[in-house]
Amino acid sequence: DQQVKQNSPSLSVQEGRISILNCDYTNSMFDYFLWYKKYPAEGPTFLISISSIKDKNEDGRFTVFLNKSAKHLSLHIVPSQPGDSAVYFCAAQAGNTGKLIFGQGTTLQVKP
Amino acid sequence: SAVISQKPSRDICQRGTSLTIQCQVDSQVTMMFWYRQQPGQSLTLIATANQGSEATYESGFVIDKFPISRPNLTFSTLTVSNMSPEDSSIYLCSVEDRGRLTDFGSGTRLTVV
Repeated sequence: DQQVKQNSPSLSVQEGRISILNCDYTNSMFDYFLWYKKYPAEGPTFLISISSIKDKNEDGRFTVFLNKSAKHLSLHIVPSQPGDSAVYFCAAQAGNTGKLIFGQGTTLQVKP
Repeated sequence: SAVISQKPSRDICQRGTSLTIQCQVDSQVTMMFWYRQQPGQSLTLIATANQGSEATYESGFVIDKFPISRPNLTFSTLTVSNMSPEDSSIYLCSVEDRGRLTDFGSGTRLTVV
């Protein structure tokens, strides 16, 4: 029972263009969502988060959109840079427990 | 954000043996967690490391296989016991230190042969 799903295993975009990574969830108790970036041989690095009371959060080149009715969130990276090439994980949390449920990850490749 | 150090960064172990992974945080934190990432898979929570009491394990994980210690607010260990090749994974320590944000250590890549 996968509560958090990232249905695209991989995404390839050209440098300077927009990258859109998608995430769907099933548990309506999730009230906080996070995106992490992971390079090989490193731990996940926090990117951006959003509370369920918001529908958008922006931090520099990164914007996360939340559509609660559709149980869907997306991460937009504009403009994409080759250094953004990594695996991106969506994670969700139900209540302030500290526990995270992760999606399967999407491998982003940004081509120069 | 918290600085989290994990040791060892990687190891190759014989089946049937045990490995203890250490996690050190540069500040006192209330919540510490251990995750596993099996090859090609997502991250899965193993347990919450509770200071001064037994760890709280998620479904599918048991104390006999993954004993955890948390002697203080900056340190925890995870032991992978009686290892088999199926235990080959990346093991990650994490802490919640800024509101609801969680930081991760660099992970321990374990290969069981």
